[in-house]
Amino acid sequence: DIQMTQSPSSLSVSVGDRVTITCRASQGISNSLAWYQQKPGTLPRLLIYAASTLQSGVPSRFSGSGSGTDFTLTISSLQPEDVATYYCQKYNSAPLTFGGGTKVEIK
Amino acid sequence: QVQLVQSGAEVRKPGSSVKVSCKASGGPFSSHAVSWVRQAPGQGLEWMGGIIGMFGTTSYAQQFQGRLTITADEITSTAYMELSSLRSEDTAVYYCARGKYYYFSYVDVWGTGTRVTVSS
Repeated sequence: DIQMTQSPSSLSVSVGDRVTITCRASQGISNSLAWYQQKPGTLPRLLIYAASTLQSGVPSRFSGSGSGTDFTLTISSLQPEDVATYYCQKYNSAPLTFGGGTKVEIK
Repeated sequence: QVQLVQSGAEVRKPGSSVKVSCKASGGPFSSHAVSWVRQAPGQGLEWMGGIIGMFGTTSYAQQFQGRLTITADEITSTAYMELSSLRSEDTAVYYCARGKYYYFSYVDVWGTGTRVTVSS
């Protein structure tokens, strides 16, 4: 099975900073990658699918890039409401493995 | 607006089984694959398996093979997840999750979640 590795596992940044989260697949998955945001005590929320397509209603400060094995989620200017854990997920074929998550906190 | 409403919290003893339901309302059901995802306390999301309702095809993550059964009832628009031989490590919140398409894809609707506690 393909493994999904996210890095870093956590980061602490200041409001307004640029945030970059990486997700690496152990084998190529084309662009079949989604990113989710989960705030404490809430359901995950779809941010990006097909590696770079922004889900409707998601702020434009979020963006995704990559293809094959290496993917990136970028928050161009971190806002207080972006404090959450972010997960990538492959969906080219089952199993639809999630990355381990990246917890983003405010410094 | 599609909603996925899950059954209530469960407490089970080690070695027993649990069956969780996920009822869809407000939108199509059979034209979307349904996955089950769990989240242990303080941990990340773990994909357990899923079903392509249109064909009745299931797929299970390796670590659940043999003790996980996912089914779907098209008439009642309800999916089910049954996990057997429960152990304490199975304590988690279990989510059903509707895929965007009839085949396995990213999740666009999440269920309400069901807390399962395994304790003697």
